[in-house]
Amino acid sequence: AQSVSQHNHHVILSEAASLELGCNYSYGGTVNLFWYVQYPGQHLQLLLKYFSGDPLVKGIKGFEAEFIKSKFSFNLRKPSVQWSDTAEYFCAVTPSQGNMLTFGGGTRLMVKP
Amino acid sequence: DTEVTQTPKHLVMGMTNKKSLKCEQHMGHRAMYWYKQKAKKPPELMFVYSYEKLSINESVPSRFSPECPNSSLLNLHLHALQPEDSALYLCASSQDSVIPQTQYFGAGTRLSVL
Repeated sequence: AQSVSQHNHHVILSEAASLELGCNYSYGGTVNLFWYVQYPGQHLQLLLKYFSGDPLVKGIKGFEAEFIKSKFSFNLRKPSVQWSDTAEYFCAVTPSQGNMLTFGGGTRLMVKP
Repeated sequence: DTEVTQTPKHLVMGMTNKKSLKCEQHMGHRAMYWYKQKAKKPPELMFVYSYEKLSINESVPSRFSPECPNSSLLNLHLHALQPEDSALYLCASSQDSVIPQTQYFGAGTRLSVL
């Protein structure tokens, strides 16, 4: 079975700071990778996903992530955060066959204005 | 329209009550999912329906009973719940459950069991 680790549980940044959230997964085969965001009181939304191809993936709202296969990592980045990015961020994986998401523990991001 | 609608938004029930959660999508998706999310924890998969048939049950207690009356609707029937079942229950849908693809989530039903 696959597992996902997000090392940063809470991150506090000032506006305009750069963001990098770590995500590592454990699985013996090929995986598909996702980052979801959950704004306060709102539903989970997909930020970006990686299935194959270019390991640098661009998502919505200026977010990007890089898949590094040798490190089993899929870190999320944004060059300059805004107050509106305050939310909880979840990394998730599915195996190459099957669509059962396994989520990491989440990172709660607070951006101070 | 990428909307998954869940009702009710909030539900309070006693341990002897029977209640149901409802989920609806009109995206033509053939896979629907129930997740449970405890406070400050990630969502955990409970059930997967594929083409209106239950395909995955992640060892969920029988006091939770899912039902898929048609391809657009997914219900979760609740009976004799325990206080530890209090959580946010999320519904999601995707084109199907075999080929990996985006799951679209509803806003959830926040359940409190007294």
